[in-house]
Amino acid sequence: GENVEQHPSTLSVQEGDSAVIKCTYSDSASNYFPWYKQELGKRPQLIIDIRSNVGEKKDQRIAVTLNKTAKHFSLHITETQPEDSAVYFCAAQVRNTPLVFGKGTRLSVIA
Amino acid sequence: GAVVSQHPSRVICKSGTSVKIECRSLDFQATTMFWYRQFPKQSLMLMATSNEGSKATYEQGVEKDKFLINHASLTLSTLTVTSAHPEDSSFYICSARVPWQRDYGYTFGSGTRLTVV
Repeated sequence: GENVEQHPSTLSVQEGDSAVIKCTYSDSASNYFPWYKQELGKRPQLIIDIRSNVGEKKDQRIAVTLNKTAKHFSLHITETQPEDSAVYFCAAQVRNTPLVFGKGTRLSVIA
Repeated sequence: GAVVSQHPSRVICKSGTSVKIECRSLDFQATTMFWYRQFPKQSLMLMATSNEGSKATYEQGVEKDKFLINHASLTLSTLTVTSAHPEDSSFYICSARVPWQRDYGYTFGSGTRLTVV
């Protein structure tokens, strides 16, 4: 089955700097890659996603890139703000099967 | 749209008792519901997939007799933790596929923090 690796497990950045989180996946049939933000004790919230027919997607300060050949995808957050502090999960999915999550990255944005 | 209501949000129970967690899709029919468990500072691990009107499919290592899943209607799926033990203490979250988001798109319940004492 699918296996998703996520790095780093923790990340601290200064406010205003950029943050990058990387994930790799094992199943070449995976074709959907969402990123979730989870605050303590709350449900994961989808922040951006990308499908396998697209190499890059951007939404304001957040962008995701996908390299299908290398089977990795990354989350980029620019101009980080303290409210970006949370745990971020990547996930990969083969169509019509459950999401498989990475282990998460705890992002701390230091004011 | 696409709201899944999960209750209770928090529950504390004694060892040996059973706890039922409900997930209701409020504005759509959820033919499939996924149940995840999340231990502190860890990722979401899929426990089982429930389909309306049929038996749930459990992931390897998940005891189906301990974690009873019922998906009796298109808007309600329940997870019952039977004979709970302290090691069952965790954050349980359900997730449903959103039917109008073609092929993909999931919405999560708000989660249930279970503490077994």
